[in-house]
Amino acid sequence: AQSVTQLGSHVSVSEGALVLLRCNYSSSVPPYLFWYVQYPNQGLQLLLKYTTGATLVKGINGFEAEFKKSETSFHLTKPSAHMSDAAEYFCAVLKAAGNKLTFGGGTRVLVKP
Amino acid sequence: GAGVSQSPSNKVTEKGKDVELRCDPISGHTALYWYRQSLGQGLEFLIYFQGNSAPDKSGLPSDRFSAERTGGSVSTLTIQRTQQEDSAVYLCASSLDRGRENEQFFGPGTRLTVL
Repeated sequence: AQSVTQLGSHVSVSEGALVLLRCNYSSSVPPYLFWYVQYPNQGLQLLLKYTTGATLVKGINGFEAEFKKSETSFHLTKPSAHMSDAAEYFCAVLKAAGNKLTFGGGTRVLVKP
Repeated sequence: GAGVSQSPSNKVTEKGKDVELRCDPISGHTALYWYRQSLGQGLEFLIYFQGNSAPDKSGLPSDRFSAERTGGSVSTLTIQRTQQEDSAVYLCASSLDRGRENEQFFGPGTRLTVL
């Protein structure tokens, strides 16, 4: 069985400050890992993904995430928050044999001016 | 090009009624997925279609839920005898094929409210 845990259901950051969203997973096999963003009343949009190879992956909108196998983590960061980053972010794991995404509970980001 | 579209965007129904939710995947995408997003359960997988293969229904919460995909394209998720706990946003996604590298593209969802 696999699961995804996102620490903190809500995060508040100041504009220009570092954004750090934490994600830990459990998986019996090497996982494929994803971060999605959901803006109000919209579907999910892929920010970035880790499949194989380089453990530091860069995504859209200045976000990046690092896969750390020893820590079973895939934390999402952005050096400088922008007002447009206010949204809900979901970490997800893709099962090895199949295509079902298992999502974390989500983290809602509020950006303060 | 056009993304995944879903209709209706909002649906309000009375408990006990049947509802149908529609998903139009991206043209050429052979894989189609349904997920449900609710306050209590978060985002959860419901069902997965790949080409002409038998669908993976392992995420459907009860036998009141069913889905079909006609002609390998449009899909309909049907909920019979709706209950208040069925209230949620139903998200559809599609991808090129079953390869894990292929990104799942999500539609905007259908918000279902059961009174």
